[in-house]
Amino acid sequence: AQRVTQPEKLLSVFKGAPVELKCNYSYSGSPELFWYVQYSRQRLQLLLRHISRESIKGFTADLNKGETSFHLKKPFAQEEDSAMYYCALGGAYTGRRALTFGSGTRLQVQP
Amino acid sequence: NAGVMQNPRHLVRRRGQEARLRCSPMKGHSHVYWYRQLPEEGLKFMVYLQKENIIDESGMPKERFSAEFPKEGPSILRIQQVVRGDSAAYFCASSTGTEGSTNEKLFFGSGTQLSVL
Repeated sequence: AQRVTQPEKLLSVFKGAPVELKCNYSYSGSPELFWYVQYSRQRLQLLLRHISRESIKGFTADLNKGETSFHLKKPFAQEEDSAMYYCALGGAYTGRRALTFGSGTRLQVQP
Repeated sequence: NAGVMQNPRHLVRRRGQEARLRCSPMKGHSHVYWYRQLPEEGLKFMVYLQKENIIDESGMPKERFSAEFPKEGPSILRIQQVVRGDSAAYFCASSTGTEGSTNEKLFFGSGTQLSVL
């Protein structure tokens, strides 16, 4: 079965501090991992996906298959990064094309 | 492009009533997904539909819940005889379905908050 675990409900850091939002997954096939973000009063939107190996708004995430993790990192947090972050897992081992989401982590960046 | 539109934003029902939640996908999108978010929990997949087809309903409760995506008009998530435990935020997402597998980019609606009294 697919499962995504985000162990922290809330992560509070000061502006300029490094940020790491943890995500672990369990999946028997070849995983496809995503991070989605929801800013206050806005819709959930895609932040980045592992296949793109991209950096969006200074955030990066590396898929570690050995540790089954896909942690989201940013070296210097900004106040505008405050939001809910969801890690999501996809895969087509059953032919299903929907994502499995974690429970989310709220990031609070304090001035 | 107005994005994925969900209505109503808030829906209040009494126990035993029916709830109908609507989702209009983005223009050009033929794939719709419904997710439910209970308080303090993540998004739980419910159902995945294409036009006139249910592709995967493995996340739908066996009773009282149904979904459709007709050839014309929005996708509808219908909950019959609602109970307090159905109170949640229901999100709809759409995609083009052309990228294959789950590399598709999902676009989400603003959600419908269902409250059952």
